[in-house]
Amino acid sequence: EVQLVESGGGLVQPGGSLRLSCAASGFTFNIYSVNWVRQAPGKGLEWVSYISSSGTTIYYAGSVKGRFTISRDNAKNSLFLQMNSLRVEDTAVYYCARDEAVAGLFDNWGQGTLVTVSS
Amino acid sequence: EIVLTQSPATLSLSPGERATLSCRASQSVSSYLAWYQQKPGQAPRLLIYDASNRATGIPARFSGSGSGTDFTLTISSLEPEDFAVYYCQQRSHWPPFTFGPGTKVDIK
Repeated sequence: EVQLVESGGGLVQPGGSLRLSCAASGFTFNIYSVNWVRQAPGKGLEWVSYISSSGTTIYYAGSVKGRFTISRDNAKNSLFLQMNSLRVEDTAVYYCARDEAVAGLFDNWGQGTLVTVSS
Repeated sequence: EIVLTQSPATLSLSPGERATLSCRASQSVSSYLAWYQQKPGQAPRLLIYDASNRATGIPARFSGSGSGTDFTLTISSLEPEDFAVYYCQQRSHWPPFTFGPGTKVDIK
């Protein structure tokens, strides 16, 4: 069974940093690209970042570019999101989402981890 | 960036009724459009990909159609578990992947 389990969320002050993790199991992690998608409280879904299976291709949404860094450790079946210079508007549930055979087709999602940016 | 709009924002229906949800793209996305279902407190679930293909395990009452800029998700006969929010999403022109704002299907 495919499982994606996020962790690392919490309360942080504006300007602070946080590192999210996503532990993958039940599939061959190193052949799939993966993404972070977020959802602000009561709002819709927003794609945040993409990383290819090898980690060599990376993209970000304009709203986080220059502040967030996506990475992966295929040996540990893990995905990460380093979030710096956090803003109040970054408050959201952050999901990791696996791409199916093609980029941008999110066939499996984690349960999400809540990041709250507030003073 | 491709903008997706969904209508209506809310659809109030009774179990057993037919639901028709619309998604329109600001420019052609060919058939690279997906639909997701999200229930309160849960992660989204992939329902339909490439406009008309049901994802694994999705019941036949869910169907998708359309191409270019206009797409439709149809639920032929609503079951109690189908009351949820539905999002469309494009992967034709990226980055970024973009989602529509969602349609909430609630119980009348």
